[in-house]
Amino acid sequence: RKEVEQDPGPFNVPEGATVAFNCTYSNSASQSFFWYRQDCRKEPKLLMSVYSSGNEDGRFTAQLNRASQYISLLIRDSKLSDSATYLCVVNILNNNDMRFGAGTRLTVKP
Amino acid sequence: DAMVIQNPRYQVTQFGKPVTLSCSQTLNHNVMYWYQQKSSQAPKLLFHYYDKDFNNEADTPDNFQSRRPNTSFCFLDIRSPGLGDAAMYLCATREGGPYEQFFGPGTRLTVL
Repeated sequence: RKEVEQDPGPFNVPEGATVAFNCTYSNSASQSFFWYRQDCRKEPKLLMSVYSSGNEDGRFTAQLNRASQYISLLIRDSKLSDSATYLCVVNILNNNDMRFGAGTRLTVKP
Repeated sequence: DAMVIQNPRYQVTQFGKPVTLSCSQTLNHNVMYWYQQKSSQAPKLLFHYYDKDFNNEADTPDNFQSRRPNTSFCFLDIRSPGLGDAAMYLCATREGGPYEQFFGPGTRLTVL
């Protein structure tokens, strides 16, 4: 089983749609969780950290479920500019390893 | 205000000819990482440093080596590049603890 697994995608949605991505992790000692966005041929950039209580940043909402060991990302009112690959990243406390999921590709169409 | 800088941005080398990729940071972060990313795949961790402590991933080929002469700089040496080593190489830094990584723009390596 992979340490971090994401929805395989791709997701093709119309503008204005709501889309949700899920990510599961295998190590129960995982403590920090992040969603990164990566545009084609660019480096990953932090979209959101994911906190235990869940957090929201504009159209983006991240949730963490420790009992089921998954995190989610919800994007509301999708924009064309949201088209990218979304990477789930997990870190284990006191361990500097940062483990990436395979990424989920999102295409938002007019 | 670049924080993680990688040079060169594009590198072309010949099969078997050693190549060195460079990363520098202005963030004074303890941890520096090297990732390999191939097309349509997630970044794959090659190794990382916590200060001077080197941590190699078990499946990183011996062909890949790294040096961190000081806090600011980290180098990736590919001793004998093969065609399969063509990829984007990403450097990232992190403060340590529960904090996020900051990535450089990457070096795209082509092996002829």
